[in-house]
Parts: sequence; C-alpha cells; structure tokens
Amino acid sequence: KAGVTQTPRYLIKTRGQQVTLSCSPISGHRSVSWYQQTPGQGLQFLFEYFSETQRNKGNFPGRFSGRQFSNSRSEMNVSTLELGDSALYLCASSLWQGSEETQYFGPGTRLLVL
Amino acid sequence: KNEVEQSPQNLTAQEGEFITINCSYSVGISALHWLQQHPGGGIVSLFMLSSGKKKHGRLIATINIQEKHSSLHITASHPRDSAVYICAVWDTGNQFYFGTGTSLTVIP
Repeated sequence: KAGVTQTPRYLIKTRGQQVTLSCSPISGHRSVSWYQQTPGQGLQFLFEYFSETQRNKGNFPGRFSGRQFSNSRSEMNVSTLELGDSALYLCASSLWQGSEETQYFGPGTRLLVL
Repeated sequence: KNEVEQSPQNLTAQEGEFITINCSYSVGISALHWLQQHPGGGIVSLFMLSSGKKKHGRLIATINIQEKHSSLHITASHPRDSAVYICAVWDTGNQFYFGTGTSLTVIP
C-alpha cells in the first residue's frame, strides 16, 4: 500500500497570502490529523477529520482551517499568512483496530513565509 | 505550562546499552503515544498505550496511569535507534499534547 502523501513538499509564500496543503491518506484510512512543527513550539495538534467531519480541534486561530473529502483526502488552508506560520506541516492517517490506533505520518510540507 | 514533560532532553549512549526515556503528564488522558522522528523529519508511530506495557522488538513501553508517567525502553541499543523520541497524549477533552522530545544518539 502507498503511504501517506503530502503535496506540495516545499512552499514559499509571503505575508498576507493564503496557502492550501493537501494530504492523501493510506487507502482505507478514514481519519486524518494535521500537525504543525516548529523549532520553538515543537509539535502541535491542529485538527482531526473523520468521515468528512472535524472531530477534534487544537488551539489555533480561525485562519487555520481544513476539510476532508469523501475519498478521505484532506486539505488544510491557512489564510492571511504570518511569519510565524513558517513550519513543517504534517498529516497523519489513522488505522483503528478495536481500541488501538496506529498513526501513519506523511513526509510533511515545509512552508516558509517571507 | 507544559502538559507533557520528557526527560532527558538529550541522551548519548554506547551501542548495546539499555536506554530509558521518561514522560510525565499533568492531564487526564485517554491514550498515550510514543513517536520516533528521524533526522530527515519522518515520524513513525511506535506505541499507543492506555494501560500496562507493550513490547515490539527491542522497544518496550510502560504506563502508570495513577502516577501519570510512561517510560520507553530500548534494549541493546543500536546506532540506527538514533532519533528524537516524542511522547504525546490525548487528554479526556480530546486535545492532543506533545512533549518536546528526547534526542537520542547511539555511538558505535
């Protein structure tokens, strides 16, 4: 099976612009989560989608939004970019077996905001 | 305020040594995850725990819910184990918190 794929892998934007990142989960996985990783804050949870519904949300401003499509692919959008949004954005799809969850992470999208 | 604390922050070991990484958390949790991040950035999920102990190969993870503490042990460490190990918890309010990671270097 193919792993989790994220596009694009690298992106440079300027302040005030908006950006959309894409994540394709492993086939059959219905849950997709998004994370931000920065040197200063480490890993932080953005949101989780399951069957096209946002199930959980982290403490990020409303400029960060996401959605999930019927094929489980997910997109994340950041509007009005700020310098501090420069980060590695990771998505992960989850396989649940009973009460056990295993997350499979994508390679990430590295966003630089100038 | 950090909901998840890891120790040590950095760890250097000789190949073959037994390694322990600790994780303490301050919130009520539904599950705890151990993750491994390699220098290239790729993250691998190692364990999900809600109680007791799990073993996979040379890796062992334990959790003590009453003490709000988990440990990750690596037996017979190898240079390929060099990575950052991250503890993360789902709290009972469905928030996911990460520790700052433990950077492990295993020297041949």
